[in-house]
Amino acid sequence: NAGVTQTPKFQVLKTGQSMTLQCAQDMNHEYMSWYRQDPGMGLRLIHYSVGAGITDQGEVPNGYNVSRSTTEDFPLRLLSAAPSQTSVYFCASRMRSEGTEAFFGQGTRLTVV
Amino acid sequence: DAKTTQPPSMDCAEGRAANLPCNHSTISGNEYVYWYRQIHSQGPQYIIHGLKNNETNEMASLIITEDRKSSTLILPHATLRDTAVYYCIVRGYGGATNKLIFGTGTLLAVQP
Repeated sequence: NAGVTQTPKFQVLKTGQSMTLQCAQDMNHEYMSWYRQDPGMGLRLIHYSVGAGITDQGEVPNGYNVSRSTTEDFPLRLLSAAPSQTSVYFCASRMRSEGTEAFFGQGTRLTVV
Repeated sequence: DAKTTQPPSMDCAEGRAANLPCNHSTISGNEYVYWYRQIHSQGPQYIIHGLKNNETNEMASLIITEDRKSSTLILPHATLRDTAVYYCIVRGYGGATNKLIFGTGTLLAVQP
């Protein structure tokens, strides 16, 4: 009963480094998305996907890339990390049907120094 | 997606009902009202959602006004573990509507 799994839980990067945040779900959900949450703020949508091979930008997409080659996985890539990307990142998934709940992972806490 | 307005914080005594208001005056006919909560920086947790009618599940009740411009989430017997930030979100259906747009929510503090 894994649900949405994010790895790693914690990460420290140096400015300019690249890395990939992993997100996997085992519920066969079509929709997946990535959010970031800065201290004291709500979640902001980075990128989302409505199915394998289809992705689109959210509210704050700059500096991030995504791809969706399988239904299960939706990795988020930071191309060249910047201190402004220090945040907690959440992945979510849900079924395609209307009026369905989204399931969230437990987050990845990223610090860029 | 319609925007929502919530009070930044509320207190509630343990064992009493917590009533969390949300204003969504620009909601359109095909938009649902969703409630999520986030406990101490964990991933948000779904609570309940509704379109027109009032809804109840094992966690809470959702009361939507007849004109749908506002709603109230009711936790019938609040416990200390209900202390969290509660988000009211309005989301339409159809197309690429995985867009749960979060505001700043209401911090509910349940007091012993």
